[in-house]
Amino acid sequence: DADVTQTPRNRITKTGKRIMLECSQTKGHDRMYWYRQDPGLGLRLIYYSFDVKDINKGEISDGYSVSRQAQAKFSLSLESAIPNQTALYFCATSGQGQDYGYTFGSGTRLTVV
Amino acid sequence: QQQVKQSPQSLIVQKGGISIINCAYENTAFDYFPWYQQFPGKGPALLIAIRPDVSEKKEGRFTISFNKSAKQFSLHIMDSQPGDSATYFCAATSGNTGKLIFGQGTTLQVKP
Repeated sequence: DADVTQTPRNRITKTGKRIMLECSQTKGHDRMYWYRQDPGLGLRLIYYSFDVKDINKGEISDGYSVSRQAQAKFSLSLESAIPNQTALYFCATSGQGQDYGYTFGSGTRLTVV
Repeated sequence: QQQVKQSPQSLIVQKGGISIINCAYENTAFDYFPWYQQFPGKGPALLIAIRPDVSEKKEGRFTISFNKSAKQFSLHIMDSQPGDSATYFCAATSGNTGKLIFGQGTTLQVKP
């Protein structure tokens, strides 16, 4: 099994619909992150969580919300999807300390029509 | 405001050649600079990383060169192979924030 599992892998949804992207990890790490990838813009941080009770906004959190259900689970919600939220979404996890290596999931390709 | 600027956006290199990707940063508090490699359909994976107390780090065919005064760092891929074809991201972070700031990405194609 993958260290970081994202579901679904692909999703097409309509404008105005609520959608949830799920992420679970088996690394045993406390830190989890949600990024979106757009061509020419790289990876931009949406939300991050350093433990179950700690949730922080990233650089592009507007229109998104998150829930940290457990150490291993971190979900991202789009309350009312809009077309410019069409992107590739990645969940990642990392340990603490000097090693900042992120382990990414395989991504969710979301299309809002 | 893009804190880490990466260039070029795309790069085509012949097999056996040298691939060079450049990044520049603004925040002098950054103290850790990793590079990630991403293959189609996969998430990025850590390739190599450097701290600003050294000017160069080499792992196999991959080398990071770091210029603290210029606030620039670059990835060199020696003897580039078709299997190196991927998207490469530079990144930076400071202290123990744990938040990586990524560059815009470079799509590398190595032609046989």
